[in-house]
Amino acid sequence: AQKITQTQPGMFVQEKEAVTLDCTYDTSDPSYGLFWYKQPSSGEMIFLIYQGSYDQQNATEGRYSLNFQKARKSANLVISASQLGDSAMYFCAPLGEGYGKLTFGQGTILTVHP
Amino acid sequence: DTGVSQDPRHKITKRGQNVTFRCDPISEHNRLYWYRQTLGQGPEFLTYFQNEAQLEKSRLLSDRFSAERPKGSFSTLEIQRTEQGDSAMYLCASSLGGTGKNGYTFGSGTRLTVV
Repeated sequence: AQKITQTQPGMFVQEKEAVTLDCTYDTSDPSYGLFWYKQPSSGEMIFLIYQGSYDQQNATEGRYSLNFQKARKSANLVISASQLGDSAMYFCAPLGEGYGKLTFGQGTILTVHP
Repeated sequence: DTGVSQDPRHKITKRGQNVTFRCDPISEHNRLYWYRQTLGQGPEFLTYFQNEAQLEKSRLLSDRFSAERPKGSFSTLEIQRTEQGDSAMYLCASSLGGTGKNGYTFGSGTRLTVV
């Protein structure tokens, strides 16, 4: 079974500053990829960014980028120029072993201060 | 396409009653997943369909839970004889294929409260 660790239950950041959300995982599946999702208080899961295991470069999507260190099984999300609307729960989710199911970490609550 | 739709958004039911939730995936997506999320936790995988075939079920899915995807399009998740421990957000997701960023998209969820 996979184990996902998000060590920061809560993070605070000033508006317009950058913030890094940590994620480490333990998987034996060599063909995994990893997603990050944002979940605001309304409950929907919003896709942010995906990193394929064999991608040569770290993934970027607008203000979101991944600091992917495969050997350390670490995939930290970097949000640049934080906005008030970034306040939400953030989940790291590697693809599971078989059939594309996701295994989620405990999440990190991000609060952006004005 | 409006994304993954789930109905209802909220459901309050008395313990012991049966409930059914519906999920309409993105039309061209062949894979459909159900997850359950309790308060303060990340979502947990329940079951998965490829087209109409249910290919995997989590041990979390007790005998009181059943899911169907009869024509490979929409899916239903039924909970029989609900218990207070079933109170959670039930999330549906769909994808085209199982890996990569092939639009692994979630719906807004159905929040179930068992009283």
